Amino acid sequence: GIQVEQSPPDLILQEGANSTLRCNFSDSVNNLQWFHQNPWGQLINLFYIPSGTKQNGRLSATTVATERYSLLYISSSQTTDSGVYFCAVEASGGSYIPTFGRGTSLIVHP
Amino acid sequence: DTEVTQTPKHLVMGMTNKKSLKCEQHMGHRAMYWYKQKAKKPPELMFVYSYEKLSINESVPSRFSPECPNSSLLNLHLHALQPEDSALYLCASSPVVLAGDEQYFGPGTRLTVT
Repeated sequence: GIQVEQSPPDLILQEGANSTLRCNFSDSVNNLQWFHQNPWGQLINLFYIPSGTKQNGRLSATTVATERYSLLYISSSQTTDSGVYFCAVEASGGSYIPTFGRGTSLIVHP
Repeated sequence: DTEVTQTPKHLVMGMTNKKSLKCEQHMGHRAMYWYKQKAKKPPELMFVYSYEKLSINESVPSRFSPECPNSSLLNLHLHALQPEDSALYLCASSPVVLAGDEQYFGPGTRLTVT
């Protein structure tokens, strides 16, 4: 099946810093989503981005499908950005089953 | 309304109990999912319902029994669980089960089996 690798696994930032999270995938995809899982367990949709670039406030994401990677940018980080960021992809070929990466655990200190 | 609700938020049950987890969405979605998530791990898919029919079952033990009474509701019936089944159980929905569909998750139920 498709492999999804996220880096870095852990990230510690001071409030106000910028960061880039990466998601590499091993095969072509129909779908790619970025989620933020808050400390209470809720998975929050950040971006649905099988290709291209999107921005939402301090967050933006870029997926280069031909090179099989996606990047999530967090600017001016806040303590509320803490949590785990997951990338989930759906491989082309009709499986309709999303495969999650292992996540990046982010801690933002005040 | 882009919300998926789950009840209860927390559940503690013994190994001989029978309990049910409930999930509801009012977005008109026709596909619903159950995931299991252990601490510090990504969610693992358990079941997928498409148009109220079970379309994907990722070889989950029979002590977990899903039910989809209608397109808005999804239940997970639990019976004779083991302590290793303690986890966060997440429900999700998407417009349909098609390539490239976007999933929306509920807040989850934290299950502890004693």
